[in-house]
Amino acid sequence: EAGVVQSPRYKIIEKKQPVAFWCNPISGHNTLYWYLQNLGQGPELLIRYENEEAVDDSQLPKDRFSAERLKGVDSTLKIQPAELGDSAVYLCASSLGAYGASQETQYFGPGTRLLVL
Amino acid sequence: AQSVAQPEDQVNVAEGNPLTVKCTYSVSGNPYLFWYVQYPNRGLQFLLKYITGDNLVKGSYGFEAEFNKSQTSFHLKKPSALVSDSALYFCAVSAMDSNYQLIWGAGTKLIIKP
Repeated sequence: EAGVVQSPRYKIIEKKQPVAFWCNPISGHNTLYWYLQNLGQGPELLIRYENEEAVDDSQLPKDRFSAERLKGVDSTLKIQPAELGDSAVYLCASSLGAYGASQETQYFGPGTRLLVL
Repeated sequence: AQSVAQPEDQVNVAEGNPLTVKCTYSVSGNPYLFWYVQYPNRGLQFLLKYITGDNLVKGSYGFEAEFNKSQTSFHLKKPSALVSDSALYFCAVSAMDSNYQLIWGAGTKLIIKP
């Protein structure tokens, strides 16, 4: 079974430029998460989708970050414009979404490492 | 407020010796506890979780963890460490008062020396 797929794996951009990350969750997983991870720290949730609905985006900086999950499968996270402080790893995860997010295992993709110069 | 503590930034163990990576938590209600491992330049890999039932949970790669409600702990253990176990380990908890979001610890770097 294929895992969570993310692309690109690495991205280097100059500040003020836009950038987008793509995620394909595990087939059949209804819940999709985007996390930000700084070096040596735990992940921080940005947004959670149940199918195509964003059910928790309270920690998404909406002035520059946006996300979408069309048709409830793939998702895209966008930053526009990027700032130096956005340099981090952006992780996508998915879970089955059948038993409630609280006790379900989240499966993570390899992440996209963003460097903003 | 809900929180997860991994009190050791780094744990050093000789190959073949038992290892323990500590995790304590603070939440209201019944906790759901998870351990993940992260290798360099890789995403997080699920190791094991406690939802309910037996306090001793067995997971991938020979790891296990024991849920201790009175001490609010969920320490990760392995009887005999391998060099390949060297990685970053994260403990996470979800519960009613975190709106069932996963609250993550800061991570513990495990170094296994040959």
